[in-house]
Amino acid sequence: DTAVSQTPKYLVTQMGNDKSIKCEQNLGHDTMYWYKQDSKKFLKIMFSYNNKELIINETVPNRFSPKSPDKAHLNLHINSLELGDSAVYFCASSPSRGNTIYFGEGSWLTVV
Amino acid sequence: GDSVTQMEGPVTLSEEAFLTINCTYTATGYPSLFWYVQYPGEGLQLLLKATKADDKGSNKGFEATYRKETTSFHLEKGSVQVSDSAVYFCARTHTGNQFYFGTGTSLTVIP
Repeated sequence: DTAVSQTPKYLVTQMGNDKSIKCEQNLGHDTMYWYKQDSKKFLKIMFSYNNKELIINETVPNRFSPKSPDKAHLNLHINSLELGDSAVYFCASSPSRGNTIYFGEGSWLTVV
Repeated sequence: GDSVTQMEGPVTLSEEAFLTINCTYTATGYPSLFWYVQYPGEGLQLLLKATKADDKGSNKGFEATYRKETTSFHLEKGSVQVSDSAVYFCARTHTGNQFYFGTGTSLTVIP
């Protein structure tokens, strides 16, 4: 079974649309993250949740809204998509007192 | 502030060459240190880690030693293979279960 799974893996959509990426982890971890990786492979943290509560909210446009219905899920909703949102989005999780982070396989978002 | 700096790529090596990818960190306190690897089209996978000074992490022939005196965690492998071609990320923990990642180093191994 995949530890951190995210869907869809590939998403091509038009500017102005609203889309969601879903993430689930079956590791029993308390903390989940969303990272954005740009075309130069640079990783930037966007959000982090611990037990469904937001603990990190980096400088991200408010078109991006995370939602954590329970501690095993952290979904990312994006409104009014822009060309610059094209990137790979990674979900990840870690134990609250652990120190290893586990990544999903990524969601390749292309805005046209 | 606290950060991670790793050598810029891309790095191109011939098969069986020796690999070093430098990583240094700045930190208050004693972070845990990591190397993650990202193969083409995939997510990041933990390669190795070290949680305290002088610890050596190792996996798949890769090694890195936590050097507090030089604040470094350089990745090494004695003989690279074509299958090692990937992007390598150095990372460290921060307070509140946060992680800082370096900018990534792309490695291409040619036969």
